[in-house]
Amino acid sequence: SQQGEEDPQALSIQEGENATMNCSYKTSINNLQWYRQNSGRGLVHLILIRSNEREKHSGRLRVTLDTSKKSSSLLITASRAADTASYFCATPMGKLTFGKGITLSVRP
Amino acid sequence: EAGVAQSPRYKIIEKRQSVAFWCNPISGHATLYWYQQILGQGPKLLIQFQNNGVVDDSQLPKDRFSAERLKGVDSTLKIQPAKLEDSAVYLCASSLVAVNTEAFFGQGTRLTVV
Repeated sequence: SQQGEEDPQALSIQEGENATMNCSYKTSINNLQWYRQNSGRGLVHLILIRSNEREKHSGRLRVTLDTSKKSSSLLITASRAADTASYFCATPMGKLTFGKGITLSVRP
Repeated sequence: EAGVAQSPRYKIIEKRQSVAFWCNPISGHATLYWYQQILGQGPKLLIQFQNNGVVDDSQLPKDRFSAERLKGVDSTLKIQPAKLEDSAVYLCASSLVAVNTEAFFGQGTRLTVV
């Protein structure tokens, strides 16, 4: 399977804390993408990291990629209640597929 | 820029009826995707178009589902006849060139089959 697998399945933290989510994959990749889905809405693209990059930042988001371990992590710093959502990683190679996602709950 | 448009937003039908969903991607986007998302699960890719050609439809139940993308622009997804297990949100997405660029999603169509 070329899709990424997210871990943990669910995460609950207090507002202001950092949230770390992981993604593992099995095949070689060109890039890895993270998406967010708020309840009842479509997915929103958060960040794309290419296979020759190791780290990327976007606002409060920090993504790392370790191609030797075939894994990526998404760090959300200083979380807010509005970050409550499901998060998905994707490792598109020919087609764009998703795993089961991570449900993040940020308690006010 | 205008986003991906989908209609209808909600649809309730009885089993064995037929239903169609429509998607208008972002102007100029060559790649178009249809996903089925059952409650509590991740989106499942049903079909991926590159312009008006099919890139992948390996998970499309072809005995009841069909999709087309005429002229490489908007697309329709049809289910005929519907089953109870087809109850889900159907998401359409598009990307500019190919799968290695970010995808933009529509709001989805929530289908309930009773």
